[in-house]
Amino acid sequence: QVQLVQSGSELKKPGASVKVSCKASGYTFTSYAMNWVRQAPGQGLEWMGWINTNTGNPTYAQGFTGRFVFSLDTSVSTAYLQISSLKAEDTAVYYCAREPTEDAIYFQHWGQGTLVTVSS
Amino acid sequence: QSVLTQPPSASGTPGQRVTISCSGSSSNIGSNTVNWYQQLPGTAPKLLIYSNNQRPSGVPDRFSGSKSGTSASLAISGLQSEDEADYYCAAWDDSLNGLYVFGTGTKVTVL
Repeated sequence: QVQLVQSGSELKKPGASVKVSCKASGYTFTSYAMNWVRQAPGQGLEWMGWINTNTGNPTYAQGFTGRFVFSLDTSVSTAYLQISSLKAEDTAVYYCAREPTEDAIYFQHWGQGTLVTVSS
Repeated sequence: QSVLTQPPSASGTPGQRVTISCSGSSSNIGSNTVNWYQQLPGTAPKLLIYSNNQRPSGVPDRFSGSKSGTSASLAISGLQSEDEADYYCAAWDDSLNGLYVFGTGTKVTVL
């Protein structure tokens, strides 16, 4: 069965960087794109963008350009989200998510989420 | 960033029917299918409805979705205590370079 397992919670100081991982199993990693979704405390869901796991080409939603980088290590079926120059407003739970089929535009498979806390 | 508008809250007693609305525009709901997600406290979202009115395997038929023009609705019939959660509509938006947009979210309380 499809599983997306994310790395654990992180506590970082403002200005630092963080790298969140999302390890996939139960399917061919390069056959499906990986999406990232942010949820600030007490707030709604926000789509950050996606990465083509076949080509490595990322697409970022407006508001997630510059400090946010999607990357892959296909040898270990893992997608990464790196955030640099962290700010307090980056405090959120970050989810990786995958569509059920190649042409679907919705997310059936989700990671458990990674809480990133930015505080001095 | 939410361009899909939902009521912040809805409630009902066990067994009642609750409906949640989702209002969008021609670039999202008006031209693409709508999906609904359920998020229980402290957990990841779960796909509840896809392609306007389709339920993934395992989702009870108490949950149903519909779409008309630039609006969509989620109905929960026979409300149960375990349905107390946040619900989000979502759709692809064709504006700019394309993006996936979520609704503002609705907290459903079972009284």
